[in-house]
Amino acid sequence: ETGVTQTPRHLVMGMTNKKSLKCEQHLGHNAMYWYKQSAKKPLELMFVYSLEERVENNSVPSRFSPECPNSSHLFLHLHTLQPEDSALYLCASSQDPRETQYFGPGTRLLVL
Amino acid sequence: DAKTTQPNSMESNEEEPVHLPCNHSTISGTDYIHWYRQLPSQGPEYVIHGLTSNVNNRMASLAIAEDRKSSTLILHRATLRDAAVYYCILRDPGSARQLTFGSGTQLTVLP
Repeated sequence: ETGVTQTPRHLVMGMTNKKSLKCEQHLGHNAMYWYKQSAKKPLELMFVYSLEERVENNSVPSRFSPECPNSSHLFLHLHTLQPEDSALYLCASSQDPRETQYFGPGTRLLVL
Repeated sequence: DAKTTQPNSMESNEEEPVHLPCNHSTISGTDYIHWYRQLPSQGPEYVIHGLTSNVNNRMASLAIAEDRKSSTLILHRATLRDAAVYYCILRDPGSARQLTFGSGTQLTVLP
């Protein structure tokens, strides 16, 4: 148990659906991250939030929309995804963007 | 970002020490060496990090070469629960907000 929880753990959605992934951290951290891990590929950073402001967006398509309403919660809103977006989506947090990151267990997403 | 090179896979016997190597010949003076591991069906987990001196914690030891161009993660007594992908990552805390993961080393622990 790392103090970072993610829901749902598994999600199947069609290409026309809208869904959201949720991340919550109980560590009092100020920075939160979304990573994507596709099969047989390294983890890729998607977004970084520091003190609820987005500080990094790694050229992620607009069908992925992050939201950070407070320092403990991070959402990833999904809309009209493609089958190639199927992957493990990992949330992480750290005290600040320079510090050690703690990861959640991930959401396994399948887009049909 | 400076690049790291790790073997794709390694095997170890249970209760024996494991030495996981990492080469980083282009490391800069401000890069810290981080190790994370990812157990099956879980997110990555921080293991240890260091700059120049060897480091120990409850999970592992990190041995850093004098020229800092390589390092070794040491698990003193491997258990079946240590089977995971181990990632060696360089990170300059002054400039890098992200962790850049490579392919890592898949460690198999044999009973």
